[in-house]
Amino acid sequence: DGGITQSPKYLFRKEGQNVTLSCEQNLNHDAMYWYRQDPGQGLRLIYYSQIVNDFQKGDIAEGYSVSREKKESFPLTVTSAQKNPTAFYLCASSGGTSGHPSTDTQYFGPGTRLTVL
Amino acid sequence: AQSVAQPEDQVNVAEGNPLTVKCTYSVSGNPYLFWYVQYPNRGLQFLLKYITGDNLVKGSYGFEAEFNKSQTSFHLKKPSALVSDSALYFCAVRPRQNAGNNRKLIWGLGTSLAVNP
Repeated sequence: DGGITQSPKYLFRKEGQNVTLSCEQNLNHDAMYWYRQDPGQGLRLIYYSQIVNDFQKGDIAEGYSVSREKKESFPLTVTSAQKNPTAFYLCASSGGTSGHPSTDTQYFGPGTRLTVL
Repeated sequence: AQSVAQPEDQVNVAEGNPLTVKCTYSVSGNPYLFWYVQYPNRGLQFLLKYITGDNLVKGSYGFEAEFNKSQTSFHLKKPSALVSDSALYFCAVRPRQNAGNNRKLIWGLGTSLAVNP
């Protein structure tokens, strides 16, 4: 988990509210990712960003939004349009100055568990 | 469609015995291969990866993995299991032919390893 922080660890949301999950990294990585984890479904990619001020939708982007204004930060907003947001959310980063980007290893934060009340 | 399979949802092994967690993939060409471990309510930790070269890759905590091109497999192994190895293990694959700097991974659904004392 070192080098990537996520906050808060636990988050409770009422239906109809937007909430923002924080992800910060001090690894000087170019790329950052948001995943959702549900029991028995593995990891599903929500959004990813390969460079500052640019990001792409992953496999399940509907109901989520992101920004990448700084290299070290990639916040995720879970909007009220996300119908089933209760899940464990994982942020990751990858990319350094050595090797080809395709061989990069992704490193993960400790996660945020979001529960809708 | 490209995919990663972890055919066993759960693996049980006695402490001190060798363990194997299986991973097979359906991806064209020679992909890059990764193993991660997740302890309860934590983020994923990187164990090892195969890029090229020797088919036997050694990683963290005494784990190793064997790449078998003909069987398109990348099984995770450890000669002597510890109770503390009990966790969720994920296999991931990145197609080598992905365009540009694409760093997206294809994930297996995970295998729960239980090491009994």
